[in-house]
Amino acid sequence: KAGVTQTPRYLIKTRGQQVTLSCSPISGHRSVSWYQQTPGQGLQFLFEYFSETQRNKGNFPGRFSGRQFSNSRSEMNVSTLELGDSALYLCASSSPGPSYNEQFFGPGTRLTVL
Amino acid sequence: GESVGLHLPTLSVQEGDNSIINCAYSNSASDYFIWYKQESGKGPQFIIDIRSNMDKRQGQRVTVLLNKTVKHLSLQIAATQPGDSAVYFCAENGNNRLAFGKGNQVVVIP
Repeated sequence: KAGVTQTPRYLIKTRGQQVTLSCSPISGHRSVSWYQQTPGQGLQFLFEYFSETQRNKGNFPGRFSGRQFSNSRSEMNVSTLELGDSALYLCASSSPGPSYNEQFFGPGTRLTVL
Repeated sequence: GESVGLHLPTLSVQEGDNSIINCAYSNSASDYFIWYKQESGKGPQFIIDIRSNMDKRQGQRVTVLLNKTVKHLSLQIAATQPGDSAVYFCAENGNNRLAFGKGNQVVVIP
């Protein structure tokens, strides 16, 4: 079974731009979560989608948004980029179910904002 | 809000020795805890988990201990190998989301 894939792997943007990151979960997984990882703050939860609905949300500003498609693939968007948005963005998927299950992480997208 | 933290930022261990990584958590309502390993350039990889109704769980060369009284979690790695060099994160599940610690670098000295 293929693992979680994320595209692109690396991205360089400038302040004020917007960016869209993509995540393809493991086949059959319907829950997709997004995390931001920085040296200073560590891994921070952004949001979780399950069956195309946002089920949970972290404490990030509205510039961070996401969505999930009917095939469970997910995208996250960051608008009006700031320098502090430079980070590794990780996506994780988990198997179907209403409660928490083991999450499988992708390799991440390294975003650099100049 | 919940927070998860690690006591030691870096642990250097001789190959073959045992490693112990500690983690404190603050959300007493958390019911599920996980240890992840992250190697350079990769996403976190699941190592072992434990539910709040247990105090010990063993895997292959790894043991997780949970002390709910003091809200403390530890990961023990037996016979540490060079491939164990990585950053280790503890995470707790509370409010149906994962909260991660800052991470603890483990360096294995051959």
